[in-house]
Amino acid sequence: GAGVSQTPSNKVTEKGKYVELRCDPISGHTALYWYRQSLGQGPEFLIYFQGTGAADDSGLPNDRFFAVRPEGSVSTLKIQRTERGDSAMYLCASSSTGGIFGELFFGEGSRLTVL
Amino acid sequence: SQQGEEDPQALSIQEGENATMNCSYKTSINNLQWYRQNSGRGLVHLILIRSNEREKHSGRLRVTLDTSKKSSSLLITASRAADTASYFCATDAGNTDKLIFGTGTRLQVFP
Repeated sequence: GAGVSQTPSNKVTEKGKYVELRCDPISGHTALYWYRQSLGQGPEFLIYFQGTGAADDSGLPNDRFFAVRPEGSVSTLKIQRTERGDSAMYLCASSSTGGIFGELFFGEGSRLTVL
Repeated sequence: SQQGEEDPQALSIQEGENATMNCSYKTSINNLQWYRQNSGRGLVHLILIRSNEREKHSGRLRVTLDTSKKSSSLLITASRAADTASYFCATDAGNTDKLIFGTGTRLQVFP
């Protein structure tokens, strides 16, 4: 596709369940970012991939959160034992160069609601 | 963590007026970017200004950067109702490729 694609667009789950959120970046973009955004707040950095490796995962809040990008393209954000506080919009972005040099292209986000 | 803070948090103006938003950040940077977000949507890149630049224009947008004060401003001239959105500044953390976003300014333009 032409842009960054995120699925699902909406996910409602129960406390304690496991969730996977998928991001399909723009073809050829080597850098991929995950952010979390709560209502009325700015996007909060979670993790950044350059190729297949996580270049910076300092934003992951705890070990319930994990992200992979096995082939350097699609990425999956995995959340174990979800808690109500995990409810937020999860945004994915990709870049051909990385944020230090150029812009990020964002998907429309996956809205997660934990009941 | 938030690197930048925008000011004001919210701004309401009439169509045709200019809108000015400010961003302050904490650490040295290589570039500063401004993004726009319509309610419930993803972010869209507006403009990037490098640390060795002081001013940049793009259409009705004008961005300034003062690295000595660690601050930037975004001016939208002749605003339109369609400019209603949240606006965020974002900076690299100086020596990494991750972008850190500010808290945002919610702009409402009344027709």
